[in-house]
Amino acid sequence: DAKTTQPNSMESNEEEPVHLPCNHSTISGTDYIHWYRQLPSQGPEYVIHGLTSNVNNRMASLAIAEDRKSSTLILHRATLRDAAVYYCILLGSSNTGKLIFGQGTTLQVKP
Amino acid sequence: DSGVTQTPKHLITATGQRVTLRCSPRSGDLSVYWYQQSLDQGLQFLIQYYNGEERAKGNILERFSAQQFPDLHSELNLSSLELGDSALYFCASSPRTGVLSSYNEQFFGPGTRLTVL
Repeated sequence: DAKTTQPNSMESNEEEPVHLPCNHSTISGTDYIHWYRQLPSQGPEYVIHGLTSNVNNRMASLAIAEDRKSSTLILHRATLRDAAVYYCILLGSSNTGKLIFGQGTTLQVKP
Repeated sequence: DSGVTQTPKHLITATGQRVTLRCSPRSGDLSVYWYQQSLDQGLQFLIQYYNGEERAKGNILERFSAQQFPDLHSELNLSSLELGDSALYFCASSPRTGVLSSYNEQFFGPGTRLTVL
């Protein structure tokens, strides 16, 4: 599975949009881009995933660059509850589903 | 509540001992994954079972073993415990194995915090 690079930390104000970037320049054509987050004192939770097209769900949006070498997780209106570590993970088509976590981005949301 | 349960929540034991961590996946999920989270190593994948069979192995020590039973619950056995084994151990489950175009997200349990003294 290809490697991802994320900023160590980001800050946001409550009720403002947040754009969390992820670089994956060695992504292959069949790698899926997954995002998970880990709230304080909890297990990780799934946020969103995509392959080529932008994706939306009730939690967030995922914008994937045309060359797929980067992606951005968008939280449309950050709340205090969104303060967490966000992980961008690539899953290759031969992957069994196991998640290989990097360092992730620690998002701080200020009231 | 993810639907994944883990017991016990906390475990304190001594070096050299053996412990068993238990995980019950969400109803109907066939895959179970074990992860270890420590301060210095972050979240690490240990092992995956699918419908009773080992499917993938990560950085799991030889002192550690796991299995998935016919009712799909899983146990992670840690033996000859060392101070460095102190960590949070998470179990996750998903409906299937593999990376499919359809939905196969993992649901994580609340974790078992192991402290080795």
